[in-house]
Amino acid sequence: DAGITQSPRHKVTETGTPVTLRCHQTENHRYMYWYRQDPGHGLRLIHYSYGVKDTDKGEVSDGYSVSRSKTEDFLLTLESATSSQTSVYFCATLGAPNTEAFFGQGTRLTVV
Amino acid sequence: QQQVKQSPQSLIVQKGGISIINCAYENTAFDYFPWYQQFPGKGPALLIAIRPDVSEKKEGRFTISFNKSAKQFSLHIMDSQPGDSATYFCAASQISNYQLIWGAGTKLIIKP
Repeated sequence: DAGITQSPRHKVTETGTPVTLRCHQTENHRYMYWYRQDPGHGLRLIHYSYGVKDTDKGEVSDGYSVSRSKTEDFLLTLESATSSQTSVYFCATLGAPNTEAFFGQGTRLTVV
Repeated sequence: QQQVKQSPQSLIVQKGGISIINCAYENTAFDYFPWYQQFPGKGPALLIAIRPDVSEKKEGRFTISFNKSAKQFSLHIMDSQPGDSATYFCAASQISNYQLIWGAGTKLIIKP
């Protein structure tokens, strides 16, 4: 299995609190992605990174920020969690364009 | 033009039957078409992929058929088994871009 670890795996948090999800990879892949998966919506891209300190917004970036200070770590932060951010979050990595993308096991986040 | 349209949204097939999932794209610059399989509680994983220089690729019971002129590609699962029950995503990308464009997913159920 590709070395992609998401933490935590499950989290319940209250509305208005900040939350940080972590993705750690041992593949030395350049590209990293955060997706959310909701029933009926497939995989929606939140933010992505194409190198250390190089990040950009995806299609559903409002309310989320990211940081990548090291190749191996990509952090997703919900500055002030809302119930609409209840979802399953997946991190993915890619070594090069048009190659296999590897996914983490996912983080199930519930905002109450 | 960046969209990948996937159908059907859900599919029920009898054990031993053929499962067929279809995807269509608009961007003729796409040159890599993977299919990912996702089991409940897991991240998606690459199942099979095709490049547009061939019209078909087969790996075991899984076959991708690719029609460049129609801008369509499909996944065929022969002799479908209950263990194939999963969500399947098609995707597309191009060598000059590190973004994967995802279909909305198909939930496949194989009835024993």
